[in-house]
Amino acid sequence: DTAVSQTPKYLVTQMGNDKSIKCEQNLGHDTMYWYKQDSKKFLKIMFSYNNKELIINETVPNRFSPKSPDKAHLNLHINSLELGDSAVYFCASSQQMNMNTEAFFGQGTRLTVV
Amino acid sequence: EDQVTQSPEALRLQEGESSSLNCSYTVSGLRGLFWYRQDPGKGPEFLFTLYSAGEEKEKERLKATLTKKESFLHITAPKPEDSATYLCAVLGNQGGKLIFGQGTELSVKP
Repeated sequence: DTAVSQTPKYLVTQMGNDKSIKCEQNLGHDTMYWYKQDSKKFLKIMFSYNNKELIINETVPNRFSPKSPDKAHLNLHINSLELGDSAVYFCASSQQMNMNTEAFFGQGTRLTVV
Repeated sequence: EDQVTQSPEALRLQEGESSSLNCSYTVSGLRGLFWYRQDPGKGPEFLFTLYSAGEEKEKERLKATLTKKESFLHITAPKPEDSATYLCAVLGNQGGKLIFGQGTELSVKP
């Protein structure tokens, strides 16, 4: 039973399109994140939500809009996709933001913009 | 600004050849240092958390240690299945975000 699951695993789309990536966690965690991994494998945080409330928004273009309908879900919507958005996007969750516990990651969504 | 640097970027070992991976960090108030393993096409998989200098954690052939400036991941008698990218991350006082290093890609040949 997958702890953090995200869909789709692969996404190929044209420049200018709008797309969404969905994420769900069944760990009962309060905090969820979106990370971006570039071609050099460097993982950088984009957003974090704690119990449906936006906590971290890291200098991300406003074409990226996260949405958390409940604390088990954090979706990422991207408008007007650009070539530079091509990367692997990871969803993650952790128990609580103010606890020093590890984050659990999904399997990633490889986004290719052509 | 919190920062993590891992070395080497890539490491090739023969099966059974022990070695260490380095993670140097600067952070305002370390709340935790985390090691992850990432296989190709998969998400990072949690290995260890270290909280204070002098702490050590072990799991099978892996042992993680922590000082005030760096952490080491020691691999004893590695096997080909240990081949992966190993990521180090720190959690500081900047409010709940993991800062990752660029990873060390480990390849173990039989």
